[in-house]
Amino acid sequence: ILNVEQSPQSLHVQEGDSTNFTCSFPSSNFYALHWYRWETAKSPEALFVMTLNGDEKKKGRISATLNTKEGYSYLYIKGSQPEDSATYLCAFIGSARQLTFGSGTQLTVLP
Amino acid sequence: DSGVTQTPKHLITATGQRVTLRCSPRSGDLSVYWYQQSLDQGLQFLIQYYNGEERAKGNILERFSAQQFPDLHSELNLSSLELGDSALYFCASSPRQGPETQYFGPGTRLLVL
Repeated sequence: ILNVEQSPQSLHVQEGDSTNFTCSFPSSNFYALHWYRWETAKSPEALFVMTLNGDEKKKGRISATLNTKEGYSYLYIKGSQPEDSATYLCAFIGSARQLTFGSGTQLTVLP
Repeated sequence: DSGVTQTPKHLITATGQRVTLRCSPRSGDLSVYWYQQSLDQGLQFLIQYYNGEERAKGNILERFSAQQFPDLHSELNLSSLELGDSALYFCASSPRQGPETQYFGPGTRLLVL
């Protein structure tokens, strides 16, 4: 069983604050890492697919970095807004192409 | 709307029964993925099909099976249902089989009584 861990488990921030979360995964047999945004009562929405060590991706106020050698990825949200409130999931894909999800970071942005 | 459709939206059945969940991928997508989200286990990857062939397998029980048809729609068959199979089942699709963005359908909520 692969260990994919996300921290923190939950986070409350004020509107306008910047925040970041961590996804830790095995550093061997890496194929790809996905980040998803999941709002309550909706389906997961893909944010980033990251494949190369040192990858940095950006989408608006959200960005992510990847370090495959040490087995972690950071997701950053700049200037959090209430609509950013959601659970942020990472999914590790190993060389066997199986996806293993972390348990997610639940973000609440307070107005 | 991701373009991925799943039917039915809700399903209530009894233990021991068999059900079939259906997924139609986005137009042009060749890969279909199935996921299970249960309360106690989070989101779990079940299986991936690419252009009709099984591509990767996750934590799929032997009582469950899936297939992808020539028109690229996919079905997930769940048999000898148990109470613990109650969950939200998602299907996702992507254009090919590489590390690409996956587009999730709205899910089928299964309740086993």
